[in-house]
Amino acid sequence: EPEVTQTPSHQVTQMGQEVILRCVPISNHLYFYWYRQILGQKVEFLVSFYNNEISEKSEIFDDQFSVERPDGSNFTLKIRSTKLEDSAMYFCASSLSGGNTGELFFGEGSRLTVL
Amino acid sequence: GENVEQHPSTLSVQEGDSAVIKCTYSDSASNYFPWYKQELGKGPQLIIDIRSNVGEKKDQRIAVTLNKTAKHFSLHITETQPEDSAVYFCAASPVNYQLIWGAGTKLIIKP
Repeated sequence: EPEVTQTPSHQVTQMGQEVILRCVPISNHLYFYWYRQILGQKVEFLVSFYNNEISEKSEIFDDQFSVERPDGSNFTLKIRSTKLEDSAMYFCASSLSGGNTGELFFGEGSRLTVL
Repeated sequence: GENVEQHPSTLSVQEGDSAVIKCTYSDSASNYFPWYKQELGKGPQLIIDIRSNVGEKKDQRIAVTLNKTAKHFSLHITETQPEDSAVYFCAASPVNYQLIWGAGTKLIIKP
């Protein structure tokens, strides 16, 4: 069964450092997403990406965040200068169709710990 | 914007009994209501969803009901089994907008 894969599973970094989280969405999917889940809290939408550009972003997704699809398979989230409050589980998701018409398939997440 | 409230935060039921998790939403334009199950160390997985043109949907032991007038929807799990233990999230979405999630319910199935 096709799945969304994420790397690394866990990353520990110092405050102020840059972090790149990687995702390989399901191959025929067209819409890609990043979500964040701070420990014990609700899942929060960060950004959606379609046709090589951001289609929607939340207030959380400020200038320190960026996304990129550098090739035909990877989808990355970059955090330029990490802060303590960026510590969370970051989930990548993909879907075949956009809006709320298509099922979201989630990866297993990348846990980011900022010290 | 949309706001989703979910209750209870923790639910403990005896194996074989039923479990009910409830959510309310604020935006009457929301028309899509999925439920996700998150097992420890894994990403959320869609288990059932409902659209606003339907009042109830069932899939084996899982059912979802929607009351558009009251703006609430519920997840019902019957004949609970140990593998049902997980965190369950409800979400709501207006057309073409992203999902707004509830805070989650930790379901514990006692043997």
